[in-house]
Amino acid sequence: AQSVTQPDIHITVSEGASLELRCNYSYGATPYLFWYVQSPGQGLQLLLKYFSGDTLVQGIKGFEAEFKRSQSSFNLRKPSVHWSDAAEYFCAVGTLKTSYDKVIFGPGTSLSVIP
Amino acid sequence: KAGVTQTPRYLIKTRGQQVTLSCSPISGHRSVSWYQQTPGQGLQFLFEYFSETQRNKGNFPGRFSGRQFSNSRSEMNVSTLELGDSALYLCASSPGDRRNTEAFFGQGTRLTVV
Repeated sequence: AQSVTQPDIHITVSEGASLELRCNYSYGATPYLFWYVQSPGQGLQLLLKYFSGDTLVQGIKGFEAEFKRSQSSFNLRKPSVHWSDAAEYFCAVGTLKTSYDKVIFGPGTSLSVIP
Repeated sequence: KAGVTQTPRYLIKTRGQQVTLSCSPISGHRSVSWYQQTPGQGLQFLFEYFSETQRNKGNFPGRFSGRQFSNSRSEMNVSTLELGDSALYLCASSPGDRRNTEAFFGQGTRLTVV
């Protein structure tokens, strides 16, 4: 069955420290991969996406993610976290064969940033 | 270019009532998807409308329904509200072209059922 896991429910980092949020997926077809961020009471904002090509993807707000097919992972990274990065982060996966409605979201990782 | 607009932002209803939520997609986008977000279940797909037709549906009871108008605006209706329907309802807008699977989310409608 298709699934997305985010092993870390909650992560706390100090401002200025590096960040890595983990995402693993199980999908039969070639995946399309996304990372979204959600601030409290807000909708989801797309950080970055991977469709094909270079496996290291650059996104907005200084985020990047690396697609590793052999590990079925798409981890999100940021070299230096800012206090404004505190939010909920969702990894999502879809395929070319289906439209966006079939995108599956992970359970999310809540990020807290210590000043 | 205006983003996805959802109205109202907050809503309080009583059990047994019905509610209608509205979503105006980005201009030119023809696909609107609806999601329910709760702390326990996370983000769950409700349904997608494209060109006034329901294209896909998630695993929700028939109390949840929707429609899309010719201008691509969409409404979602929940009848006979239950306490468990309390959630953040998110609308996502996309061009609808299956080669472009990027979607843009609204800020959501926070529904509380008491």
